[in-house]
Amino acid sequence: NAGVTQTPKFQVLKTGQSMTLQCAQDMNHEYMSWYRQDPGMGLRLIHYSVGAGITDQGEVPNGYNVSRSTTEDFPLRLLSAAPSQTSVYFCASARRGRNTDTQYFGPGTRLTVL
Amino acid sequence: TQLLEQSPQFLSIQEGENLTVYCNSSSVFSSLQWYRQEPGEGPVLLVTVVTGGEVKKLKRLTFQFGDARKDSSLHITAAQPGDTGLYLCAGVVGSSNTGKLIFGQGTTLQVKP
Repeated sequence: NAGVTQTPKFQVLKTGQSMTLQCAQDMNHEYMSWYRQDPGMGLRLIHYSVGAGITDQGEVPNGYNVSRSTTEDFPLRLLSAAPSQTSVYFCASARRGRNTDTQYFGPGTRLTVL
Repeated sequence: TQLLEQSPQFLSIQEGENLTVYCNSSSVFSSLQWYRQEPGEGPVLLVTVVTGGEVKKLKRLTFQFGDARKDSSLHITAAQPGDTGLYLCAGVVGSSNTGKLIFGQGTTLQVKP
């Protein structure tokens, strides 16, 4: 199993540009989520999904969109990038049920918005 | 809003020393997790504590959940350079099946040989 994969690993955008951060998992996990990590602030939940077709907002959802058309994929879209979105983004997945809270994280995407 | 305060934020010690990292909140969590993160990688789960007062050991690492389930600590005995990394605590929001986590700010540990 590849686990949780994220692409790209690095990205530089100009203010106002759009892009999609890709996340995929091959563990048949129902639960997937996106976090951003900023210095001194730990990880903050952006959006999450408890299954295909179901998404909900986390702690810091503004400026980001998500959709979940398959169990495997959970892309994160930035429609109009802003410098405040410069961060490291992590995707995570987990199995629902007793082990829901054991989340597996991808390697991250480092995004810089100029 | 539930918050987790982690302390200290930075710790630089010599190999062989002991250390404790604290994770405190005014909120009750159904469970609390500790992660370790290496540079350029995602966090990796070390342990989950569920019951108030619970103590779990992972080799030289000892994790404790407070009796009121509002705080937790990580104690490392005889730290080694391989322990260097970012340690994060995370509280599970709501019931244990929500999958939503609240993270502390993290503790950067450097163990010098």
